Amino acid sequence: GESVGLHLPTLSVQEGDNSIINCAYSNSASDYFIWYKQESGKGPQFIIDIRSNMDKRQGQRVTVLLNKTVKHLSLQIAATQPGDSAVYFCAENNPGGGNKLTFGTGTQLKVEL
Amino acid sequence: NAGVTQTPKFQVLKTGQSMTLQCAQDMNHNSMYWYRQDPGMGLRLIYYSASEGTTDKGEVPNGYNVSRLNKREFSLRLESAAPSQTSVYFCASSEDSSSYEQYFGPGTRLTVT
Repeated sequence: GESVGLHLPTLSVQEGDNSIINCAYSNSASDYFIWYKQESGKGPQFIIDIRSNMDKRQGQRVTVLLNKTVKHLSLQIAATQPGDSAVYFCAENNPGGGNKLTFGTGTQLKVEL
Repeated sequence: NAGVTQTPKFQVLKTGQSMTLQCAQDMNHNSMYWYRQDPGMGLRLIYYSASEGTTDKGEVPNGYNVSRLNKREFSLRLESAAPSQTSVYFCASSEDSSSYEQYFGPGTRLTVT
């Protein structure tokens, strides 16, 4: 079946460096993508979203890039801070399936001091 | 606003026992969701309610029932708990059926022995 997956299960970066978290999706009909951050012991928290009519969207210190040709999504975090340590999930919508989301398995981001 | 609240935070059950997980949101959202999260896996949708008075099965509904008590509350019931239902359960809500951004509660950690 269709699925959303991540290339790297764990990513370690030095404080102050930029982080890039990748996600591959397989449903070419998906037209909405979202990134969530989940800190230990907490529920997922919205970071940023992007629709398929865009290639790039920027937020505060975060940028999401969408490459529909290769069905790839990435989350870039600038000047990574210790507070960015968390698991990051991408999710895609299910066109024709209401407003449900399909989540990827997550990437653990570890920020080293 | 408290956002999405869940009770209890932790629960231990014996196989065959029943229990209800409670969820409430104060954002006047129409849609609500129940997910389970297992180690190394993304969030999997159990049931959802697109609007008050409606409920639908998600990806993994077996062994669960839900009740959309009113617009604010959406409960998840385990009639006869099994060890395979050991997981962290998250409730979420979104504004309406055209909105994909979901707001999550803090989760309930359930252990079935």
